[in-house]
Amino acid sequence: AQSVAQPEDQVNVAEGNPLTVKCTYSVSGNPYLFWYVQYPNRGLQFLLKYITGDNLVKGSYGFEAEFNKSQTSFHLKKPSALVSDSALYFCAVRSNTGNQFYFGTGTSLTVIP
Amino acid sequence: EAGVVQSPRYKIIEKKQPVAFWCNPISGHNTLYWYLQNLGQGPELLIRYENEEAVDDSQLPKDRFSAERLKGVDSTLKIQPAELGDSAVYLCASSPGGGRERDTQYFGPGTRLTVL
Repeated sequence: AQSVAQPEDQVNVAEGNPLTVKCTYSVSGNPYLFWYVQYPNRGLQFLLKYITGDNLVKGSYGFEAEFNKSQTSFHLKKPSALVSDSALYFCAVRSNTGNQFYFGTGTSLTVIP
Repeated sequence: EAGVVQSPRYKIIEKKQPVAFWCNPISGHNTLYWYLQNLGQGPELLIRYENEEAVDDSQLPKDRFSAERLKGVDSTLKIQPAELGDSAVYLCASSPGGGRERDTQYFGPGTRLTVL
């Protein structure tokens, strides 16, 4: 079965500190991995994706994520958090052998001034 | 470039009433998705269209839900009759369907449905 796990419902970090939002996945075949951000009363916005190539992917707003095949992880990171980064973050996966996307349950990030 | 447009943004109805949601994808995007998002959960796919063809509707509760995408552009999702458990946010997304960006989905703001 294909799935995505975001083990932390809530992450709090002080402004200016590095942040990490965790994601692990399970798919048959090779994974296509995505991060989306959702602000209140807004739709999901695409941040970045890994399809193939370099394991470190850079995306919008200074975010990056590292694909780790051995740990089946795709953690989202940012070197210095901003208060405006406070939002709900979703990891998603699709297998290269199928078309179904699977989203995690989301992680609420709060950046404390 | 305009994003994915959805209407209405909010809808409140009584149970057993019908309701319809409308989505206009980004121009040129062949693939259209309807998702359901419950509070505190990630989106769950209801149906996926490639142009006007529904290629994945395995998660759509067909006894009460229906969808159409006439002419392969905008789409309508309908619930009839609505039940209390249908209260959720209904998200529409689209993707180019080809090239390097084929898997990047662009989401609309969603329709928040409340069934009383």
